[in-house]
Amino acid sequence: DQQVKQNSPSLSVQEGRISILNCDYTNSMFDYFLWYKKYPAEGPTFLISISSIKDKNEDGRFTVFLNKSAKHLSLHIVPSQPGDSAVYFCAASVWSQNFVFGPGTRLSVLP
Amino acid sequence: DGGITQSPKYLFRKEGQNVTLSCEQNLNHDAMYWYRQDPGQGLRLIYYSQIVNDFQKGDIAEGYSVSREKKESFPLTVTSAQKNPTAFYLCASSNGRGQGLYNEQFFGPGTRLTVL
Repeated sequence: DQQVKQNSPSLSVQEGRISILNCDYTNSMFDYFLWYKKYPAEGPTFLISISSIKDKNEDGRFTVFLNKSAKHLSLHIVPSQPGDSAVYFCAASVWSQNFVFGPGTRLSVLP
Repeated sequence: DGGITQSPKYLFRKEGQNVTLSCEQNLNHDAMYWYRQDPGQGLRLIYYSQIVNDFQKGDIAEGYSVSREKKESFPLTVTSAQKNPTAFYLCASSNGRGQGLYNEQFFGPGTRLTVL
């Protein structure tokens, strides 16, 4: 049973618009959530994270929102740029131990 | 420069042969991890180690083995018992327990293993 789900395998967005990537989880013990970006044939790179004591964390164009009651988090990218085209993984952990990754969402930002 | 290195980038082996994938980090991280990624899928945990000389099985450990003799190194052996070894293998590391409550994982560039 998948503990971390990303129900949209792919997403296309026009350059300059907002990209919203969604992630749902089932384990209420998760207390730390992360987003990674991955290009083909490369390792994932850390983007942004949020702990369960917060509901929002911002870093430049990237904002992560956490809704604990709905067990849902989302990554907003504003404005989207062609270089943002990649696969985005959501990950969750309990006290930073044994991260569980979602299946990923492929984002395509169209010029 | 601090980071995680994996070598080689591409590896080809004949069916039935064991092969060892290298992972080295100079980030002084206690914890190290091995993941496998298959096309169109997420990352699945193979093995992890929170401290030297100790490691635990992840979700898909069958057909794999690891060792953690040094803090900097966590090699993964893909044995002939692994039924579908062709995949992209990723190594990661992070600060371990007692190094702060929230620690992200840092990933190496990956090794693509193809078994012919």
